Amino acid sequence: KQEVTQIPAALSVPEGENLVLNCSFTDSAIYNLQWFRQDPGKGLTSLLLIQSSQREQTSGRLNASLDKSSGRSTLYIAASQPGDSATYLCAVASTSGTYKYIFGTGTRLKVLA
Amino acid sequence: DTEVTQTPKHLVMGMTNKKSLKCEQHMGHRAMYWYKQKAKKPPELMFVYSYEKLSINESVPSRFSPECPNSSLLNLHLHALQPEDSALYLCASSQVGGRMETQYFGPGTRLLVL
Repeated sequence: KQEVTQIPAALSVPEGENLVLNCSFTDSAIYNLQWFRQDPGKGLTSLLLIQSSQREQTSGRLNASLDKSSGRSTLYIAASQPGDSATYLCAVASTSGTYKYIFGTGTRLKVLA
Repeated sequence: DTEVTQTPKHLVMGMTNKKSLKCEQHMGHRAMYWYKQKAKKPPELMFVYSYEKLSINESVPSRFSPECPNSSLLNLHLHALQPEDSALYLCASSQVGGRMETQYFGPGTRLLVL
């Protein structure tokens, strides 16, 4: 059974710092991995989608990498801003069983001005 | 237009009430999803519709009844809910429900069952 874990659970950093969020999954047989952002009480916004054949994806200040064999993905945020404060969720689509996203537990990020 | 809309934003209902949640998208997507998210927990899949047909039901209790009247609309009918059903209900859509797709999420309906 696929399990997805995110570390740290919460993170507080001063504005301008570069930071890394981690996502681990137990079953490396995946179709893709997606990073989402969720503001308090709101829906999810897709940030980056990495297919299983890809190693990384970039969008603006965000860079996500995928190492399928070790069951890890990282989301790198460059030059963090207070507007980046949110919960970041990774979700994995496994190849085994029903096709669906299994979400990680999330990292609550606070960027201090 | 990459927007998924959900109504209402908030809903309070008693355990004997019947209510419905609505979701709409105009991106031409043929797959739509319902997720449930409890406070400080990740979303959990409930149902998937593909081409207006129910393709996945994640063993959800029958007090939740989904309906897909057309390719743009997805409803979730609620009846005889329990207080533990209080949660944020998220709707999402994707192109056809394939394994390579991005899912687009709505803002959610926050449900409180008294």
